[in-house]
Amino acid sequence: DSGVTQTPKHLITATGQRVTLRCSPRSGDLSVYWYQQSLDQGLQFLIQYYNGEERAKGNILERFSAQQFPDLHSELNLSSLELGDSALYFCASSVAGGRIVSYNEQFFGPGTRLTVL
Amino acid sequence: AQTVTQSQPEMSVQEAETVTLSCTYDTSESDYYLFWYKQPPSRQMILVIRQEAYKQQNATENRFSVNFQKAAKSFSLKISDSQLGDAAMYFCAYRSASGTYKYIFGTGTRLKVLA
Repeated sequence: DSGVTQTPKHLITATGQRVTLRCSPRSGDLSVYWYQQSLDQGLQFLIQYYNGEERAKGNILERFSAQQFPDLHSELNLSSLELGDSALYFCASSVAGGRIVSYNEQFFGPGTRLTVL
Repeated sequence: AQTVTQSQPEMSVQEAETVTLSCTYDTSESDYYLFWYKQPPSRQMILVIRQEAYKQQNATENRFSVNFQKAAKSFSLKISDSQLGDAAMYFCAYRSASGTYKYIFGTGTRLKVLA
């Protein structure tokens, strides 16, 4: 158990709908990262937040948005869903977003499996 | 931009034998970190081993070791005395030591362990 929690574990929805994925980082971690893993693919970085502020953006679609709240939990919002959005969405957390901790190791949550029908 | 390449989609190894998974990367940075993650059927991402680019010594964690060749931009994972529980997808990942701290993952190698 990494200490990172994600809800829900599974989500099935229809095209055109909007969903929200939730992530609670490990206690003490300030940074949250979101990744998308499509079938049999590697993880694609979507976005990073550090202490409530957006720190880095990756291949995140305009239909997707995220935020990190004062209690440090984060939500990833996916709207106008398409079949191709079906994937496993991982959240990871780390202590910091810089060199404060040399490795800045990311601890991954169990993922949310999104199925768009 | 940095890239990570894993050229072996699938590998097989006999139980108790040794297997090496390949990973190459491309970067213009001199300071970075490299990781191997294991993803079993549960889909949980589990850190196997890490390597700091400025360290010449290869990292070792029990049966797992790496061969880090900085000039060649190569970072292979050696699993010794393979066990059935080692069967999983293995991902190589790169992380810059400055700027953004996102991980860049390879496409993975599926490792099968034969009894």
